Amino acid sequence: LAKTTQPISMDSYEGQEVNITCSHNNIATNDYITWYQQFPSQGPRFIIQGYKTKVTNEVASLFIPADRKSSTLSLPRVSLSDTAVYYCLVGDPGNTPLVFGKGTRLSVIA
Amino acid sequence: GAVVSQHPSWVICKSGTSVKIECRSLDFQATTMFWYRQFPKQSLMLMATSNEGSKATYEQGVEKDKFLINHASLTLSTLTVTSAHPEDSSFYICSADTTAGVSSYEQYFGPGTRLTVT
Repeated sequence: LAKTTQPISMDSYEGQEVNITCSHNNIATNDYITWYQQFPSQGPRFIIQGYKTKVTNEVASLFIPADRKSSTLSLPRVSLSDTAVYYCLVGDPGNTPLVFGKGTRLSVIA
Repeated sequence: GAVVSQHPSWVICKSGTSVKIECRSLDFQATTMFWYRQFPKQSLMLMATSNEGSKATYEQGVEKDKFLINHASLTLSTLTVTSAHPEDSSFYICSADTTAGVSSYEQYFGPGTRLTVT
């Protein structure tokens, strides 16, 4: 399984765009990149998934360069309610269970 | 969207007793379910993979005789913590596998169960 590296924590003010980068140098051909959000005492919630280039949904955007060795989760105009831990996971869909790294603890400040 | 529930949401038990946690996929069938454990301020740790109708696959270091997993139907998996001890106190989270298509994969997580062993 590809190992991922993320910043341990980040701070941001409300209304700003937040970009969280994840490194996954050993990503395999069949691996997808998936981001989850977790609030305290809750299960993780799916945010976005991608394989290459750019993916956008109503919540976030995911940027993946051509070599796929890293990815960036972009959260537009964060609010206080976006304070959470964000996990980047890399794996082969439907073939391997998700293995969580340490995640990035995002704190949004008013 | 797909919903996964867990019951109970929290439980307190005495040391030496057993506790059963249920994980249900409410509006879809889950061939595979996963059980995680999360200690305070730490990440989720995969405990086992549960396939309907077959024995669970446990991760290295997880005692299969202590953490009994049963996946009797496509919508229900149970985790039983046998002879619980205070060090088993943790947040237990299950998830269910649903494959929406070749290019899409999502794993839906339950809300978690807080186990406290006194």
